[in-house]
Amino acid sequence: NAGVTQTPKFQVLKTGQSMTLQCAQDMNHNSMYWYRQDPGMGLRLIYYSASEGTTDKGEVPNGYNVSRLNKREFSLRLESAAPSQTSVYFCASLDRINTEAFFGQGTRLTVV
Amino acid sequence: DAKTTQPNSMESNEEEPVHLPCNHSTISGTDYIHWYRQLPSQGPEYVIHGLTSNVNNRMASLAIAEDRKSSTLILHRATLRDAAVYYCILKELYYGGSQGNLIFGKGTKLSVKP
Repeated sequence: NAGVTQTPKFQVLKTGQSMTLQCAQDMNHNSMYWYRQDPGMGLRLIYYSASEGTTDKGEVPNGYNVSRLNKREFSLRLESAAPSQTSVYFCASLDRINTEAFFGQGTRLTVV
Repeated sequence: DAKTTQPNSMESNEEEPVHLPCNHSTISGTDYIHWYRQLPSQGPEYVIHGLTSNVNNRMASLAIAEDRKSSTLILHRATLRDAAVYYCILKELYYGGSQGNLIFGKGTKLSVKP
């Protein structure tokens, strides 16, 4: 089982460039999440999707947009990247009944 | 959101038990206590969770105080692979929407010495 798969694993962007981080889960989970983790810090919630067709802001949504493409996929878009968005990004999924969340391996993004 | 307080760091010797404390004095009756850990350069992984009673699984045990204002994650025999950041998180029973979100603090960095 693949679990939660994130692509790409690494990315370097120039300030002002745009990109989309992809996340897919194969566990038929209803809820999906995007977090960012800065050095030495815990994870902070950017956006979440409680179910297919819905998305909501988390703690730190500014500068990001999301799309819940279908039940499997939840993408995170940076329209105009800034150095402050240099971070490691994690996607997670959670089933409505099972309270164990599964995380991807992360995307390490550097904005120069 | 109810808050948790954990020590920034702890050290342990290999093959000895480790007790990782967590204080959550403002816990509500519908909050579950979850523990996740994050190994270096990896995403967090689920360890254990409980509501009122002590819980055991293959990875660890969770001891919950009678008043639920604190809990302790117990690793029975620490290995080098257990060196990680451990997060104690309060999570409401999932009703959908924001109530079920996992909100991470800074966690406890556990070092294991050979």
